Amino acid sequence: AQSVTQPDIHITVSEGASLELRCNYSYGATPYLFWYVQSPGQGLQLLLKYFSGDTLVQGIKGFEAEFKRSQSSFNLRKPSVHWSDAAEYFCAVGYLEYGNKLVFGAGTILRVKS
Amino acid sequence: DGGITQSPKYLFRKEGQNVTLSCEQNLNHDAMYWYRQDPGQGLRLIYYSQIVNDFQKGDIAEGYSVSREKKESFPLTVTSAQKNPTAFYLCATNRGGTEAFFGQGTRLTVV
Repeated sequence: AQSVTQPDIHITVSEGASLELRCNYSYGATPYLFWYVQSPGQGLQLLLKYFSGDTLVQGIKGFEAEFKRSQSSFNLRKPSVHWSDAAEYFCAVGYLEYGNKLVFGAGTILRVKS
Repeated sequence: DGGITQSPKYLFRKEGQNVTLSCEQNLNHDAMYWYRQDPGQGLRLIYYSQIVNDFQKGDIAEGYSVSREKKESFPLTVTSAQKNPTAFYLCATNRGGTEAFFGQGTRLTVV
């Protein structure tokens, strides 16, 4: 079955510190990979995506993510967190051979300490 | 402006009632999705549609129904068979193999 795991439910970091949010997925071939961010009561906004090519992808708001096929991972990073980054972050995987199905992880809530 | 419109933003349902959530898009995307969001459970797929007049059940389709009579519209009906409908519902669209675009969501509460 297709599944996406975000092992950290909550993460708290100090403003200015670095951030890494983890994401692992179950899949045989190379999937399409996404990170989204959600503010409370809002829809989801795309941060970045990976389809093919360079395994380090850059996104909006200073975020980047690295695809590691050997680890089935797609971790999100930011070198210096801002208070406005506090939100919930979702990793998602697209499975084209299952009718373009998009599967989401459970999300990681980021809190930023000033 | 191109986008996805979900309405209403807030919806209240009495026990035993059916309610319908609206999702309209003008992005000309073929695929449309409905997700349910509960705290700590991420987004769970209810139904999705790749083309007009066709749709597939997702992981939690029981108690829900959909239709796809027009490319632009993918309404979701929460039936009385859904025993725990209180949640945040998100509609999304995409063109095959690309990222999904989301509406602003509908919060459904049973009263």
